[in-house]
Amino acid sequence: GDSVTQMEGPVTLSEEAFLTINCTYTATGYPSLFWYVQYPGEGLQLLLKATKADDKGSNKGFEATYRKETTSFHLEKGSVQVSDSAVYFCALSGGTGGFKTIFGAGTRLFVKA
Amino acid sequence: ETGVTQSPTHLIKTRGQQVTLRCSSQSGHNTVSWYQQALGQGPQFIFQYYREEENGRGNFPPRFSGLQFPNYSSELNVNALELDDSALYLCASSLSAGVKETQYFGPGTRLLVL
Repeated sequence: GDSVTQMEGPVTLSEEAFLTINCTYTATGYPSLFWYVQYPGEGLQLLLKATKADDKGSNKGFEATYRKETTSFHLEKGSVQVSDSAVYFCALSGGTGGFKTIFGAGTRLFVKA
Repeated sequence: ETGVTQSPTHLIKTRGQQVTLRCSSQSGHNTVSWYQQALGQGPQFIFQYYREEENGRGNFPPRFSGLQFPNYSSELNVNALELDDSALYLCASSLSAGVKETQYFGPGTRLLVL
């Protein structure tokens, strides 16, 4: 079945550092790919998405490119802020599971001032 | 535009009890999905409702059941609660049940089973 694998956390960075969170997926067909962010004590917020190969999703300085050849959707940000501290989830839908959204386990990011 | 809302925010129950969680979908959305997020894990799909009918189900036992109402709000019911049911329950709504639709999540209901 479909699956999403993320790099294990926590990831600890200093403010203004470069961020990469790796995400790879397994799915048949042409799934849509998503990054969600979860702040402490809150639900999930959609951060960005890409619906086909080579699409780049971007929002609030975060970017991720849908790479079908490597089945990856790595999240990047050039300069992180303390307010970016949260848990980040990579997810897919539209693969074998159809409309079901399959999530990775999440990567916790801590940004120090 | 009102986002997805869920109630209650927190709930404590004991083993064997029953619980009902509620979700109001975003305006204009006719599809609601429910997820269970155990501590330190990603959300797991429970089921989806589209226009008041169950549209698909994940690997959860029948004691997890749901309803969707004509205004597209939804309920998640869990019978015979077990300790492992302790989790954050997330509701997500979308414009339709299409595979490319983006889901918008509510803040969740945190359930503790003692």
